[in-house]
Amino acid sequence: AQSVAQPEDQVNVAEGNPLTVKCTYSVSGNPYLFWYVQYPNRGLQFLLKYITGDNLVKGSYGFEAEFNKSQTSFHLKKPSALVSDSALYFCAVGFTGGGNKLTFGTGTQLKVEL
Amino acid sequence: DTAVSQTPKYLVTQMGNDKSIKCEQNLGHDTMYWYKQDSKKFLKIMFSYNNKELIINETVPNRFSPKSPDKAHLNLHINSLELGDSAVYFCASSQLTGDTDTQYFGPGTRLTVL
Repeated sequence: AQSVAQPEDQVNVAEGNPLTVKCTYSVSGNPYLFWYVQYPNRGLQFLLKYITGDNLVKGSYGFEAEFNKSQTSFHLKKPSALVSDSALYFCAVGFTGGGNKLTFGTGTQLKVEL
Repeated sequence: DTAVSQTPKYLVTQMGNDKSIKCEQNLGHDTMYWYKQDSKKFLKIMFSYNNKELIINETVPNRFSPKSPDKAHLNLHINSLELGDSAVYFCASSQLTGDTDTQYFGPGTRLTVL
């Protein structure tokens, strides 16, 4: 069975500083990894995904994530955080033959302060 | 134009009642999903339909019954509502059922059972 861990419930960062939101996963077979963002009282918005190929994936709003197979990680990063990036971030994993069944992490609340 | 829409946005009801939540997508996608997000923001898949056929059916009480009249609509009917059913329910859709297909989420329906 697949699983996703987001070890930090909350990440605080100053505006303009780089941010990292951590995600590790466990699957049988090839993983397919996704990041979503949820703003208050809104649905999840897709940010980026890793399927295959280049380990560095670029997504919406300047976010990127790096797939690391040996560490089974897929951390979300942004070089310069904005206050408007403050939201709840979810990592999710699917796998080959999984029928597009995603397993989500518990979410990380990102707070960007002035 | 809203890609994935849900009605109602809020639903407050008494224990024991029966209620339905409706979902529509105008993305031309073949697959639709229902997710439940609990009070701790934990997100878990409930059902998935592809072209009106049930393909994912997680361990969900049989009081929950999805219905897909066509591939653009997936409704969720809940019988004999219980306090523990209080949550935010999200509908999502993806183009196909491939493991790598991105899922796009609706805005959610906040169900409160009193």
